[in-house]
Amino acid sequence: KNEVEQSPQNLTAQEGEFITINCSYSVGISALHWLQQHPGGGIVSLFMLSSGKKKHGRLIATINIQEKHSSLHITASHPRDSAVYICAVNGNEKLTFGTGTRLTIIP
Amino acid sequence: DADVTQTPRNRITKTGKRIMLECSQTKGHDRMYWYRQDPGLGLRLIYYSFDVKDINKGEISDGYSVSRQAQAKFSLSLESAIPNQTALYFCATSEGTGGYNEQFFGPGTRLTVL
Repeated sequence: KNEVEQSPQNLTAQEGEFITINCSYSVGISALHWLQQHPGGGIVSLFMLSSGKKKHGRLIATINIQEKHSSLHITASHPRDSAVYICAVNGNEKLTFGTGTRLTIIP
Repeated sequence: DADVTQTPRNRITKTGKRIMLECSQTKGHDRMYWYRQDPGLGLRLIYYSFDVKDINKGEISDGYSVSRQAQAKFSLSLESAIPNQTALYFCATSEGTGGYNEQFFGPGTRLTVL
């Protein structure tokens, strides 16, 4: 069993829909990261959180340390949100990555 | 200009050839990382360096070596490339501990070994 599991693996939605991507992990962590990988391959960091909730524009990330679970939400989704979203956790100064969720937003 | 650059961006080579992938950063970060990404798998750590004199193996270091020439430069070498090393390779940097600090990724190098 992978240390970091993401669901769903693929998600297709209509523009404007509310999107939720989930991440569960099986190890103790000090922080959890959400990353976005663009269709061209580049990776950017969206959030780093160790408790509670963070918001940036239309993106919201939450984490429940007790349940070892995090969610990434996108409100009012737009085609430009189409990308692979990657969850990564740190427990020993190195990151362990999930396999990613491929999100496609249809106009 | 990009803060983390990788050269080359694309490379096609043959089995048995020696290949070097280079990473440079202008962020002034001490910590640098090399990852590979394969379809259906998460990013996996090959090597990491916490400063110029500190090099550490990651989870998949076999068949690879690295050199930290300066704070700003971290190179990955494939001594004798094999087809299953075909992958997308990323360099990343962070200011401090990789868990607490954001990692900044280069644009990636797509390597194909025939």
